[in-house]
Amino acid sequence: QSVLTQPPSVSGAPGQRVTISCTGSSSNIGVGYDVHWYQQLPGTAPKLLIYGNNNRPSGVPDRFSGSKSGTSASLAITGLQAEDEADYYCQSYDINLSGSRVFGGGTKLTVL
Amino acid sequence: EVQLVESGGGLVQPGRSLRLSCRTSGFTFGDYAMSWFRQAPGKGLEWVAFIRSKNQGGTTDYAASVKGRFIMSRDASKPIAYLQMNSLKPEDTAIYYCTRDDPVYDSSAYWGQGTLVTVSS
Repeated sequence: QSVLTQPPSVSGAPGQRVTISCTGSSSNIGVGYDVHWYQQLPGTAPKLLIYGNNNRPSGVPDRFSGSKSGTSASLAITGLQAEDEADYYCQSYDINLSGSRVFGGGTKLTVL
Repeated sequence: EVQLVESGGGLVQPGRSLRLSCRTSGFTFGDYAMSWFRQAPGKGLEWVAFIRSKNQGGTTDYAASVKGRFIMSRDASKPIAYLQMNSLKPEDTAIYYCTRDDPVYDSSAYWGQGTLVTVSS
């Protein structure tokens, strides 16, 4: 049971826009902790996609964007491409767990 | 270029110990906090341990699932981050990744390729 809740799967056709939600609570996202997003392609290590709620590291296309409101956060992907098919994880911190890093269970994105 | 290379994984019996190493290059090791994460087969990501930078005191934090059994340390002269894993359990079976953490946002911007630890009799 993950501290942060993500949908197990989402899908979209090439060119479409998809969003992945990350729902937390008043002890993590809601208390003001930043949310980060990671992309994990099959068989590879995770890669930082979004940091500090809505910032993209150098090299990440602007098709990827993040937002945060209240106790939730979202990752949006526009202009979906076949190479976006991957697992996506949100991560924050939880005050009840002594500031431990906590993850969502991950969302499998399928490009139809 | 920042590089992180984990090693030390393998097959180990329950109750035994194992030490993982994360050899780093391409940055000033002492200036950055480091973390270990793991991913059990077919499962999601789990944070394991964190060590602050030298300037932050080099103190450590651990996930509840490993606290009292795992010890993270760092050797700036190498420069390597370690994860000493004691009293291993079958549920510790996972790929273990080390990361370099951003000093402002605490996100893990750089990841190693991972090393597989299998705990089984």
